Amino acid sequence: EVQLQQSGAELVKPGASVKLSCKTSGYILSNYYMSWLKQMPGQNIEWIGNIYGGNGGTGYNQKFKGKATLTVDKSSSTAYMDLNSLTSEDSAVYFCARLGIAAPYFDYWGQGVMVTVSS
Amino acid sequence: DIQMTQTPSSMPASLGERVTISCRSSQGIRNYLNWYQQKPDGTIKPLIYYTSNLQSGVPSRFSGSGSGTDYSLSISSLEPEDFAMYYCQQYYSSPWTFGGGTKLELK
Repeated sequence: EVQLQQSGAELVKPGASVKLSCKTSGYILSNYYMSWLKQMPGQNIEWIGNIYGGNGGTGYNQKFKGKATLTVDKSSSTAYMDLNSLTSEDSAVYFCARLGIAAPYFDYWGQGVMVTVSS
Repeated sequence: DIQMTQTPSSMPASLGERVTISCRSSQGIRNYLNWYQQKPDGTIKPLIYYTSNLQSGVPSRFSGSGSGTDYSLSISSLEPEDFAMYYCQQYYSSPWTFGGGTKLELK
């Protein structure tokens, strides 16, 4: 069974960074792209970017370039997203989601992790 | 960026009713359109990909259609578990973008 298990909620101070994790199981991370998405409270979902598990190649939404950095660790089957220089605008729920092979859609999702930026 | 506009933003409906949610793109997206369901606990799952393909395990009461800039998701007979948020998403061009969502509520 495919599972994406995200790390727990984070409370971080403005200006700090945070690293979110997404541990995968039930499939081979190297064979798929992993995406990250952002959902602010009561608002739309935004696509942040993709990373290919095989070679770490990335593609970002221009809006998040410089804000988010995606990496993978094949040895632990885990995808990561670093968010830097956090502000209140970064307070949101962040999801990891596997990109399907049959077509580019998010076929499995993590449960989401709430990041709160507050002093 | 391609803007995705969903209508209505909320929809009261009854059990057993047939409903249709619309999604319009700001430019043609050649059927590169997916639909997702988000439950109140926040969990998200795919329903339809490439306009009309049903994700494995999704009940056949869900269906998708459309072309050009106009797409729709239909649910033929509402079940209690269908009351949730629904989002469309285009992947025709980067950045991939989502509609603002439609909240399906029990009337």
